[in-house]
Amino acid sequence: NAGVMQNPRHLVRRRGQEARLRCSPMKGHSHVYWYRQLPEEGLKFMVYLQKENIIDESGMPKERFSAEFPKEGPSILRIQQVVRGDSAAYFCASSQSRAGGSGNQPQHFGDGTRLSIL
Amino acid sequence: EDKVVQSPLSLVVHEGDTVTLNCSYEVTNFRSLLWYKQEKKAPTFLFMLTSSGIEKKSGRLSSILDKKELFSILNITATQTGDSAVYLCAVASYTDTAQKLVFGQGTRLTINP
Repeated sequence: NAGVMQNPRHLVRRRGQEARLRCSPMKGHSHVYWYRQLPEEGLKFMVYLQKENIIDESGMPKERFSAEFPKEGPSILRIQQVVRGDSAAYFCASSQSRAGGSGNQPQHFGDGTRLSIL
Repeated sequence: EDKVVQSPLSLVVHEGDTVTLNCSYEVTNFRSLLWYKQEKKAPTFLFMLTSSGIEKKSGRLSSILDKKELFSILNITATQTGDSAVYLCAVASYTDTAQKLVFGQGTRLTINP
């Protein structure tokens, strides 16, 4: 049973380049979440997606950041024109369903992508 | 603004000791409280608590939620060096259109042999 799969594990980019982070949810999970963890800080919510829909992007910066979860393939978090402050660990989580639907379901996390900006 | 506060931020004990980690919260649209263990990689799910006063237990770990006082504790008995990790408390905040976990800063637990 594969868990949440993220790639790459480490990504190095120069300022101004684009970063693409991928996340494949656990089998049977249709809800995907992205979180960012800065050094010595807790995880901060960025965006919640279902297939082909962004449900809540209240935690995502308005510029340069975008996310998608297409009908086929992994969820993608895209950061354009990266800056030094984007250096962080980006975690993806998935869950089986939304709370209030078939009940509370915990979110399960991938190993994260560590993004370093030179 | 939604807030989750964990204490202590850091704790060092000897193997065999019992530890209690604390988590308090102020979150609108509370659905559940979750505990995760984070070593070098992915946060690993430990417990999800939705009801007050019902203890959840898994081996040497246990946790309980108080929805009136808005806090939870995570207990680890007979600690082992493998328990060394950052323990994260998160509160699930859900509405019809939004769903997210609000995390605390974490408690870094170090177990010395």
